[in-house]
Parts: sequence; C-alpha cells; structure tokens
Amino acid sequence: GENVEQHPSTLSVQEGDSAVIKCTYSDSASNYFPWYKQELGKRPQLIIDIRSNVGEKKDQRIAVTLNKTAKHFSLHITETQPEDSAVYFCAAKGIMGGSYIPTFGRGTSLIVHP
Amino acid sequence: DAGVIQSPRHEVTEMGQEVTLRCKPISGHDYLFWYRQTMMRGLELLIYFNNNVPIDDSGMPEDRFSAKMPNASFSTLKIQPSEPRDSAVYFCASSLIAGEWREQFFGPGTRLTVL
Repeated sequence: GENVEQHPSTLSVQEGDSAVIKCTYSDSASNYFPWYKQELGKRPQLIIDIRSNVGEKKDQRIAVTLNKTAKHFSLHITETQPEDSAVYFCAAKGIMGGSYIPTFGRGTSLIVHP
Repeated sequence: DAGVIQSPRHEVTEMGQEVTLRCKPISGHDYLFWYRQTMMRGLELLIYFNNNVPIDDSGMPEDRFSAKMPNASFSTLKIQPSEPRDSAVYFCASSLIAGEWREQFFGPGTRLTVL
C-alpha cells in the first residue's frame, strides 16, 4: 500500500514569511495529491490539490509542486498570516481495495506569529 | 446540502461500555470513510464503503470495532467493549466516486473519551 511521510511536524514562522511543507510517497501509481487544512477543533478541509500530470499549481498565496520522479510534493504558503495557523495534511491517492483511496501524512502544525 | 453529519459530537463513556458513532454522508456520494485521529498516530483510515458495501477494513484495529452501512444515507461505527486507548476524534468522510481526483468531505467529527 501507499506510505506518505510528511515534514516537518511543526513549523513556526513570522507573519509575512513563507512556509514550506514537504511530503514523500512510495507508490509510483499514485496520481492525485490533495492538501487539507484543519483548524483547531474543526474538520479537515481541502485547500488545494494536484494531479500527477501537472508539475505545479497555484491558488493565490498557496501553491503545490510535484516531482513524480523523486516521488515528493510540497505545499508553499507565501505571505503567511495568523489565520494560516492550522494543521496541514498531505495525501497521496493510490489503489486500495480496488479503488483510489488517499493515504494521509501525519500532519504539520503551522504556527504563524503576528 | 448540510454536508456530512456526525453524531454525537462528544461522547464520554466508561471502559467496557458500548459506543456507537453515527454518520450521514452527503446525498449522492457513493463512498464513505471512517477515520480515527490521535496525536500519536495522526489520521488513520479505519474502513471504507462503496455503495454501502465494506471494501477495505484493514485499518480496523481489532475485533472490538465494527462498522455497518445499512443504506446509502447512514453508517455506524461501533466499539464494544470500549477501552481508554480508543479515546480519539472519529471522522466520517464521503466522496462522489472515489476516482483518481475526487475530494473527500469530512464531517465535524466525534470526540470520544473513554474513562
């Protein structure tokens, strides 16, 4: 099955700085890579995703890059704001039980200091 | 649509008691997932259903855990008997066709505390 490693587990930045979270995956057949944001006490919600046929995707201050050869992908947040503080999960969607099912990383707690 | 609905939102019980968590997926979604979230182990997939049929339950920790989906709009996760180490937040999620690039929608979660 798929195995996803996520680093760092905790990331502390000053407001306005950039933040980068990295994930690696093991299954070369995985072809969809979503990122979820979970605010304290809330549910995980999708913030951006990328398919395996794309190398980079941007949405305002967030971007995701994918290197299929190296089997790693990253989330980039620019001009961080206090409301970006949350736990971020990466996931890789690979085959499980005959269907494409996401395997999640352990999460990164991002803290943005005002 | 109200999104994925879970009940109860909080459950406190004593060791040895039976616990039943409930989930109503988004109407029309044909995949349903149960996750457990803890600080130590992160977000773990316990089991998922496709069209009400359990497809993969390899994540269910042991026989004390069972899940059912009697119809397209309702699923339960049961723990019997419960133990303190089962304390966690349990999320239900649903998606429309778990194809290669379909988003999962999570419910608000049930915070379970077993004393």
